Amino acid sequence: GNSVTQMEGPVTLSEEAFLTINCTYTATGYPSLFWYVQYPGEGLQLLLKATKADDKGSNKGFEATYRKETTSFHLEKGSVQVSDSAVYFCALSAGGGNKLTFGTGTQLKVEL
Amino acid sequence: DVKVTQSSRYLVKRTGEKVFLECVQDMDHENMFWYRQDPGLGLRLIYFSYDVKMKEKGDIPEGYSVSREKKERFSLILESASTNQTSMYLCASSSPVGPNYGYTFGSGTRLTVV
Repeated sequence: GNSVTQMEGPVTLSEEAFLTINCTYTATGYPSLFWYVQYPGEGLQLLLKATKADDKGSNKGFEATYRKETTSFHLEKGSVQVSDSAVYFCALSAGGGNKLTFGTGTQLKVEL
Repeated sequence: DVKVTQSSRYLVKRTGEKVFLECVQDMDHENMFWYRQDPGLGLRLIYFSYDVKMKEKGDIPEGYSVSREKKERFSLILESASTNQTSMYLCASSSPVGPNYGYTFGSGTRLTVV
């Protein structure tokens, strides 16, 4: 079946540090890949997506590249801000029905 | 702005009660989903629906049922609430095609069963 594995948190960084959150997946066929973000007390918001191999999704300074050869979709940001503190979820959609399979989430805390 | 609205942010119910969680979307989306979110487990799919009056079991349907009588509304029902159903419940909707590929989530309902 489909599965998503994320690095465990919490991750604590200083403001302006470089961020990487690792995500690898197992899926049948050719999945679409997503990163969602959940700010405290809120639901999840789509951060970025990539629908085929070698695509790069980007938004708000975050980037992730769909790597089919390593089945990975790592999230990166060059300089994090305190406002980026949130929980980040990697997810995939494979097969019919537009169902998403989520990772367990990685909590990011950015300090001044 | 597109919206998924969950009727309650916080809910406290007693063991054995029948509980209804309501979700409404205003985007004319065909697909709707119910997840529960627990620390260390991420989001797990309970039920989903591709159309009115259609429903499919997700990964953890036991103890739950759903109702979709209108396209915009998808209800999650806990037939007899138990303490292990204390959780955050998230509703989402999506359209299978078009530029909005991906889910729109509600803000969640934090349910406590005592």
